[in-house]
Amino acid sequence: AQSVAQPEDQVNVAEGNPLTVKCTYSVSGNPYLFWYVQYPNRGLQFLLKYITGDNLVKGSYGFEAEFNKSQTSFHLKKPSALVSDSALYFCAVRDKGSSASKIIFGSGTRLSIRP
Amino acid sequence: NAGVTQTPKFQVLKTGQSMTLQCAQDMNHEYMSWYRQDPGMGLRLIHYSVGAGITDQGEVPNGYNVSRSTTEDFPLRLLSAAPSQTSVYFCASRPQTSGASTDTQYFGPGTRLTVL
Repeated sequence: AQSVAQPEDQVNVAEGNPLTVKCTYSVSGNPYLFWYVQYPNRGLQFLLKYITGDNLVKGSYGFEAEFNKSQTSFHLKKPSALVSDSALYFCAVRDKGSSASKIIFGSGTRLSIRP
Repeated sequence: NAGVTQTPKFQVLKTGQSMTLQCAQDMNHEYMSWYRQDPGMGLRLIHYSVGAGITDQGEVPNGYNVSRSTTEDFPLRLLSAAPSQTSVYFCASRPQTSGASTDTQYFGPGTRLTVL
């Protein structure tokens, strides 16, 4: 069975500081990994994904994520946080061998950037 | 393009009432899905469709029906609402071609449903 965990319900960071939102996963085969962001009263928006190749993936709004196979992690990072980055972030995973309908979302991490 | 649209934005029902949540997309995507979002639980798949006339159950299908008569529309029906169905409902769509490059989904703004 596949699963994804976001161990932090909330992350608080000062504007201008680096931020990390953690995600770990479990799949039986090789993973496809995704990050989505949800702003208040909006649907989820795609940020970035890891399919294969370079372990460091760059996405929208200056975000990046690093795939670490040995630690089964896919942490989201940004070198310098903005107040506008405050939102709810979801990690998602599915096994490459499974149907695309089998994507699993994490419980979400609320990122709060203080001025 | 309007993308994925959902109506209504908010709805309050009494236990036992029925209603339909509407979802439409104008991107000619074959794949559409319905999720519910509950605090601390992420998104859970209710039903999905890979094309007109084809639907299948997701992780939490009980109490919900769907149909897909056109590519554009994918309504979700609550047959007899229960308080456990209080949630935020999201519709999503994506192209239906092979490979994870198409896993990127486009989400609607959501419907916040309260069942009393």
